[in-house]
Amino acid sequence: SQQGEEDPQALSIQEGENATMNCSYKTSINNLQWYRQNSGRGLVHLILIRSNEREKHSGRLRVTLDTSKKSSSLLITASRAADTASYFCATEQGGSEKLVFGKGTKLTVNP
Amino acid sequence: DAGVIQSPRHEVTEMGQEVTLRCKPISGHNSLFWYRQTMMRGLELLIYFNNNVPIDDSGMPEDRFSAKMPNASFSTLKIQPSEPRDSAVYFCASWRTGEETQYFGPGTRLLVL
Repeated sequence: SQQGEEDPQALSIQEGENATMNCSYKTSINNLQWYRQNSGRGLVHLILIRSNEREKHSGRLRVTLDTSKKSSSLLITASRAADTASYFCATEQGGSEKLVFGKGTKLTVNP
Repeated sequence: DAGVIQSPRHEVTEMGQEVTLRCKPISGHNSLFWYRQTMMRGLELLIYFNNNVPIDDSGMPEDRFSAKMPNASFSTLKIQPSEPRDSAVYFCASWRTGEETQYFGPGTRLLVL
């Protein structure tokens, strides 16, 4: 079953704008990760946020985690055409390295 | 490091044929994961190994699917007999204990006619 559910399913913005994607999950987690997938390629890890963290930054990426609401958001600032990809959240639950992925948000950044 | 290597990259076969997908994890990684990705179901974990031992195969759809990891540097996912609904992209990923991320291979795009 899908643990993470991303929202929106698709997002189209102009270059330079910010993109925000959300992820909701159902059970307690150890950490939540965001991955990126370019068309026809494998997934690439972007950032991990642990259950005791509320916010994390990496370059133009900002991730928040609200464990009370079982939700996370990924913000990409000053988007570029090269950011066009699908973005997935994945949750790791207790005692296991197993990840459960959502269905992803397809982001299109128009030049 | 070459990353996770999967072969073949593309496979077209006819219903009823046996399909074998191969994966070479990153050297030194002790866990290996097989995923399937479809438009309808997204990315699903099929099975994962830790130190070459299958830990969780609850995602394997049915007996037609089997996976092996005879050593730390090689794994196979076999479908016998294949069916059109098995058409998907199959990813292998590897991970080393203590690291943050799983590393994904480029995937095998399978089409069963």
